[in-house]
Amino acid sequence: DAGVIQSPRHEVTEMGQEVTLRCKPISGHNSLFWYRQTMMRGLELLIYFNNNVPIDDSGMPEDRFSAKMPNASFSTLKIQPSEPRDSAVYFCASMVGQGSGQLFFGSGTQLSVL
Amino acid sequence: QKEVEQNSGPLSVPEGAIASLNCTYSDRGSQSFFWYRQYSGKSPELIMSIYSNGDKEDGRFTAQLNKASQYVSLLIRDSQPSDSATYLCAVNTGRRALTFGSGTRLQVQP
Repeated sequence: DAGVIQSPRHEVTEMGQEVTLRCKPISGHNSLFWYRQTMMRGLELLIYFNNNVPIDDSGMPEDRFSAKMPNASFSTLKIQPSEPRDSAVYFCASMVGQGSGQLFFGSGTQLSVL
Repeated sequence: QKEVEQNSGPLSVPEGAIASLNCTYSDRGSQSFFWYRQYSGKSPELIMSIYSNGDKEDGRFTAQLNKASQYVSLLIRDSQPSDSATYLCAVNTGRRALTFGSGTRLQVQP
C-alpha cells in the first residue's frame, strides 16, 4: 500500500483565494483525520470522519474551512477565502477503527498564503 | 491549561546516554497514550503506545505511564544521532481522536 496520499505537497496562494487540499487514506482504514501544524500551536485536530461521516469538527477554526469525504477513498479540505494566518502544514491521517491510536500520516501539504 | 503538555526543549544529550522525555495530560478519563517521532520536514510516525500503568519496553525505547499523576514518559537508551527529532506525546481524551502535545525537540550530540 502506498500509505496516505496528500496533494499538493506545496501550495502558495494569495489572500482571498480558494484552496483545496486532497487526501486518499489507506485502503481499509475507516477513520480519517485532518490536522494542522504550526510552530505556535503545534498539531491541532481540525476534523475527524468515521465511515465517511464527520464525527468531530469542533477544531475547524471558522466557516471559511470546510471538509468533505464523499467516499471511503477520498477527502478534501477547503479554505475559502484563504488568509495569511492559515499558513501551516496540513496533515491528513487515517486509522483502522476509532480508538487504536495508530494514526498513519500523509506527507502533508505546506500551505503559504501571501 | 493545555490538554497535553510537553517541554519544548531542545533536550540535548550525548551519544550513548539515556534521553528522558516527559508529558502531562489534564483529562483523568484518558485511556490511551502514544509517542510519535517527527523528523524535521516529515510527518509524525508512531513509535510507542501504552494503555496501562507501568513500563512498556520496545528495543531501546521504554514508555512509562502513571495515571494517578497524569504523567507519561519516554526513555531512549543508548541515544543515537539518528534519534534527533521532535517527539510528540498524544493522548486519547475521549473525543475519539488523538490530542497531541506541542512536542519536545531532542538533539543527540555525537
